[in-house]
Amino acid sequence: SQKIEQNSEALNIQEGKTATLTCNYTNYSPAYLQWYRQDPGRGPVFLLLIRENEKEKRKERLKVTFDTTLKQSLFHITASQPADSATYLCALARRNNAGNMLTFGGGTRLMVKP
Amino acid sequence: DGGITQSPKYLFRKEGQNVTLSCEQNLNHDAMYWYRQDPGQGLRLIYYSQIVNDFQKGDIAEGYSVSREKKESFPLTVTSAQKNPTAFYLCASTERGDSSYNEQFFGPGTRLTVL
Repeated sequence: SQKIEQNSEALNIQEGKTATLTCNYTNYSPAYLQWYRQDPGRGPVFLLLIRENEKEKRKERLKVTFDTTLKQSLFHITASQPADSATYLCALARRNNAGNMLTFGGGTRLMVKP
Repeated sequence: DGGITQSPKYLFRKEGQNVTLSCEQNLNHDAMYWYRQDPGQGLRLIYYSQIVNDFQKGDIAEGYSVSREKKESFPLTVTSAQKNPTAFYLCASTERGDSSYNEQFFGPGTRLTVL
Protein backbone atom coordinates (compact mmCIF):
# COMPACT_ATOMS: atom_id res chain seq x y z
CA SER A 1 0.00 0.00 0.00
CA GLN A 2 1.04 3.60 -0.50
CA LYS A 3 2.69 5.16 2.49
CA ILE A 4 4.23 8.51 3.45
CA GLU A 5 6.43 8.65 6.54
CA GLN A 6 7.59 11.66 8.47
CA ASN A 7 9.34 11.42 11.80
CA SER A 8 6.56 11.58 14.38
CA GLU A 9 8.99 12.57 17.11
CA ALA A 10 9.56 16.26 17.60
CA LEU A 11 12.82 17.71 16.36
CA ASN A 12 14.47 20.01 18.90
CA ILE A 13 17.29 22.25 17.75
CA GLN A 14 19.12 25.35 18.90
CA GLU A 15 18.49 28.73 17.32
CA GLY A 16 20.88 29.42 14.46
CA LYS A 17 21.35 25.76 13.53
CA THR A 18 20.03 24.06 10.41
CA ALA A 19 16.90 21.96 10.83
CA THR A 20 16.51 18.96 8.52
CA LEU A 21 13.19 17.16 8.22
CA THR A 22 12.65 13.94 6.29
CA CYS A 23 9.79 12.67 4.17
CA ASN A 24 9.97 9.08 2.91
CA TYR A 25 7.42 7.40 0.70
CA THR A 26 6.75 3.92 -0.63
CA ASN A 27 4.66 2.61 -3.50
CA TYR A 28 4.32 6.11 -4.94
CA SER A 29 5.53 7.73 -8.08
CA PRO A 30 4.61 11.34 -7.39
CA ALA A 31 4.67 13.98 -10.08
CA TYR A 32 5.65 16.57 -7.49
CA LEU A 33 5.93 17.09 -3.77
CA GLN A 34 4.90 20.01 -1.59
CA TRP A 35 5.84 21.15 1.90
CA TYR A 36 3.46 22.98 4.22
CA ARG A 37 3.79 24.61 7.62
CA GLN A 38 1.03 24.19 10.21
CA ASP A 39 0.76 26.10 13.47
CA PRO A 40 -1.36 24.66 16.34
CA GLY A 41 -5.08 24.95 15.70
CA ARG A 42 -4.63 26.51 12.26
CA GLY A 43 -4.72 25.44 8.64
CA PRO A 44 -1.52 24.50 6.78
CA VAL A 45 0.30 27.14 4.77
CA PHE A 46 2.12 26.28 1.54
CA LEU A 47 5.90 26.70 1.54
CA LEU A 48 7.55 25.02 -1.44
CA LEU A 49 6.84 22.74 -4.37
CA ILE A 50 9.40 20.53 -6.11
CA ARG A 51 8.82 18.55 -9.28
CA GLU A 52 10.01 15.02 -9.99
CA ASN A 53 12.62 16.27 -12.45
CA GLU A 54 14.07 18.80 -9.99
CA LYS A 55 16.75 17.85 -7.50
CA GLU A 56 16.63 20.93 -5.32
CA LYS A 57 14.53 24.04 -4.71
CA ARG A 58 15.32 27.06 -2.56
CA LYS A 59 13.33 29.91 -1.09
CA GLU A 60 15.05 32.30 1.28
CA ARG A 61 16.18 30.13 4.26
CA LEU A 62 14.32 27.07 3.01
CA LYS A 63 15.69 24.29 0.83
CA VAL A 64 13.97 21.14 -0.41
CA THR A 65 15.56 18.16 -2.12
CA PHE A 66 13.75 15.38 -3.94
CA ASP A 67 15.40 12.02 -4.62
CA THR A 68 13.06 9.79 -6.61
CA THR A 69 15.54 6.91 -6.44
CA LEU A 70 15.66 6.94 -2.64
CA LYS A 71 11.97 7.95 -2.54
CA GLN A 72 12.82 10.71 -0.15
CA SER A 73 12.53 14.46 0.27
CA LEU A 74 14.57 16.51 2.72
CA PHE A 75 13.41 19.90 3.99
CA HIS A 76 16.05 22.22 5.42
CA ILE A 77 15.68 25.46 7.36
CA THR A 78 18.98 27.28 7.72
CA ALA A 79 19.73 29.78 10.48
CA SER A 80 16.64 28.56 12.31
CA GLN A 81 14.67 30.91 14.56
CA PRO A 82 12.17 30.28 17.38
CA ALA A 83 9.49 31.59 15.00
CA ASP A 84 10.16 28.57 12.79
CA SER A 85 8.70 26.32 15.49
CA ALA A 86 5.71 24.56 13.94
CA THR A 87 4.64 21.27 12.39
CA TYR A 88 5.84 20.68 8.84
CA LEU A 89 3.86 18.48 6.49
CA CYS A 90 4.97 16.92 3.25
CA ALA A 91 2.38 16.15 0.60
CA LEU A 92 2.72 14.08 -2.55
CA ALA A 93 0.76 14.63 -5.72
CA ARG A 94 -1.10 11.57 -6.87
CA ARG A 95 -0.93 10.38 -10.43
CA ASN A 96 -3.70 8.74 -12.43
CA ASN A 97 -6.50 10.91 -11.20
CA ALA A 98 -8.53 13.71 -12.63
CA GLY A 99 -7.85 16.22 -9.93
CA ASN A 100 -5.14 18.04 -8.04
CA MET A 101 -5.00 15.45 -5.27
CA LEU A 102 -2.45 15.45 -2.52
CA THR A 103 -1.65 12.79 0.05
CA PHE A 104 -0.24 14.21 3.27
CA GLY A 105 2.26 12.77 5.70
CA GLY A 106 1.64 12.94 9.45
CA GLY A 107 3.99 15.88 9.91
CA THR A 108 7.05 16.54 12.04
CA ARG A 109 6.99 19.06 14.85
CA LEU A 110 9.99 21.37 14.95
CA MET A 111 10.97 23.18 18.15
CA VAL A 112 13.68 25.85 17.87
CA LYS A 113 15.06 26.90 21.23
CA PRO A 114 16.56 30.36 21.79
CA ASP B 1 -8.64 40.29 1.81
CA GLY B 2 -8.86 37.17 -0.32
CA GLY B 3 -9.00 33.84 1.44
CA ILE B 4 -10.99 30.96 2.79
CA THR B 5 -13.28 31.21 5.77
CA GLN B 6 -14.66 28.35 7.81
CA SER B 7 -17.34 28.54 10.43
CA PRO B 8 -17.81 27.90 13.20
CA LYS B 9 -14.34 27.57 14.71
CA TYR B 10 -15.61 25.18 17.39
CA LEU B 11 -18.67 22.97 17.11
CA PHE B 12 -20.24 20.59 19.57
CA ARG B 13 -22.69 17.96 18.54
CA LYS B 14 -24.69 15.33 20.29
CA GLU B 15 -24.53 11.79 19.03
CA GLY B 16 -27.13 11.10 16.37
CA GLN B 17 -27.27 14.67 15.08
CA ASN B 18 -26.27 15.87 11.65
CA VAL B 19 -24.16 19.02 11.51
CA THR B 20 -23.02 21.23 8.62
CA LEU B 21 -19.63 22.93 8.43
CA SER B 22 -19.35 26.04 6.30
CA CYS B 23 -16.52 26.81 3.84
CA GLU B 24 -16.44 29.96 1.71
CA GLN B 25 -13.69 31.28 -0.59
CA ASN B 26 -13.36 34.56 -2.44
CA LEU B 27 -10.26 33.56 -4.41
CA ASN B 28 -12.27 32.64 -7.51
CA HIS B 29 -10.77 29.15 -7.31
CA ASP B 30 -12.32 26.32 -9.28
CA ALA B 31 -11.49 23.43 -6.95
CA MET B 32 -12.32 22.92 -3.30
CA TYR B 33 -11.47 20.14 -0.84
CA TRP B 34 -12.44 18.87 2.59
CA TYR B 35 -9.93 17.13 4.85
CA ARG B 36 -10.09 15.61 8.27
CA GLN B 37 -7.12 15.77 10.67
CA ASP B 38 -6.82 13.62 13.78
CA PRO B 39 -4.15 14.21 16.45
CA GLY B 40 -0.68 13.30 15.22
CA GLN B 41 -1.98 12.24 11.84
CA GLY B 42 -1.87 13.64 8.37
CA LEU B 43 -4.77 15.18 6.52
CA ARG B 44 -7.19 12.69 4.98
CA LEU B 45 -9.32 13.66 2.01
CA ILE B 46 -13.08 13.44 2.52
CA TYR B 47 -14.56 15.02 -0.63
CA TYR B 48 -13.37 17.27 -3.42
CA SER B 49 -14.94 19.37 -6.13
CA GLN B 50 -13.09 20.34 -9.28
CA ILE B 51 -15.82 22.62 -10.55
CA VAL B 52 -19.18 23.96 -9.50
CA ASN B 53 -22.06 21.44 -9.52
CA ASP B 54 -19.62 18.53 -9.43
CA PHE B 55 -17.94 16.69 -6.57
CA GLN B 56 -16.21 13.36 -5.95
CA LYS B 57 -15.60 11.11 -2.97
CA GLY B 58 -12.18 11.15 -1.41
CA ASP B 59 -10.55 8.48 0.71
CA ILE B 60 -12.90 8.60 3.70
CA ALA B 61 -16.28 9.82 2.39
CA GLU B 62 -18.49 7.45 4.38
CA GLY B 63 -20.75 9.34 6.77
CA TYR B 64 -20.20 12.70 5.04
CA SER B 65 -22.00 14.62 2.31
CA VAL B 66 -21.26 17.81 0.37
CA SER B 67 -22.77 20.16 -2.19
CA ARG B 68 -21.24 22.64 -4.63
CA GLU B 69 -24.07 24.83 -5.87
CA LYS B 70 -21.94 27.99 -5.95
CA LYS B 71 -18.30 28.41 -6.93
CA GLU B 72 -17.42 30.10 -3.65
CA SER B 73 -19.14 27.67 -1.29
CA PHE B 74 -18.52 24.01 -0.39
CA PRO B 75 -20.39 23.00 2.79
CA LEU B 76 -19.72 19.66 4.47
CA THR B 77 -22.41 17.77 6.38
CA VAL B 78 -21.28 15.29 9.00
CA THR B 79 -24.12 12.81 9.33
CA SER B 80 -25.04 10.53 12.18
CA ALA B 81 -23.65 7.66 10.09
CA GLN B 82 -20.10 8.91 10.70
CA LYS B 83 -18.94 6.68 13.54
CA ASN B 84 -16.11 8.81 14.89
CA PRO B 85 -16.68 12.41 13.84
CA THR B 86 -14.64 14.18 16.52
CA ALA B 87 -11.75 15.77 14.59
CA PHE B 88 -10.30 18.96 13.11
CA TYR B 89 -11.86 19.68 9.71
CA LEU B 90 -10.00 21.69 7.09
CA CYS B 91 -11.29 23.16 3.86
CA ALA B 92 -8.92 24.04 1.02
CA SER B 93 -9.04 25.38 -2.52
CA THR B 94 -6.85 25.49 -5.60
CA GLU B 95 -7.03 27.76 -8.59
CA ARG B 96 -7.70 24.88 -10.94
CA GLY B 97 -8.94 21.37 -10.37
CA ASP B 98 -6.86 19.57 -12.97
CA SER B 99 -3.42 18.10 -12.41
CA SER B 100 -1.56 21.40 -12.72
CA TYR B 101 1.00 22.24 -10.08
CA ASN B 102 -1.24 24.22 -7.77
CA GLU B 103 -0.66 24.94 -4.12
CA GLN B 104 -3.61 24.43 -1.83
CA PHE B 105 -4.94 27.33 0.23
CA PHE B 106 -6.42 26.28 3.55
CA GLY B 107 -9.05 27.76 5.82
CA PRO B 108 -8.55 28.11 9.58
CA GLY B 109 -10.39 24.87 10.34
CA THR B 110 -13.38 23.78 12.42
CA ARG B 111 -12.89 21.63 15.49
CA LEU B 112 -15.87 19.30 15.87
CA THR B 113 -16.49 17.51 19.15
CA VAL B 114 -19.21 14.92 19.61
CA LEU B 115 -20.54 14.79 23.15
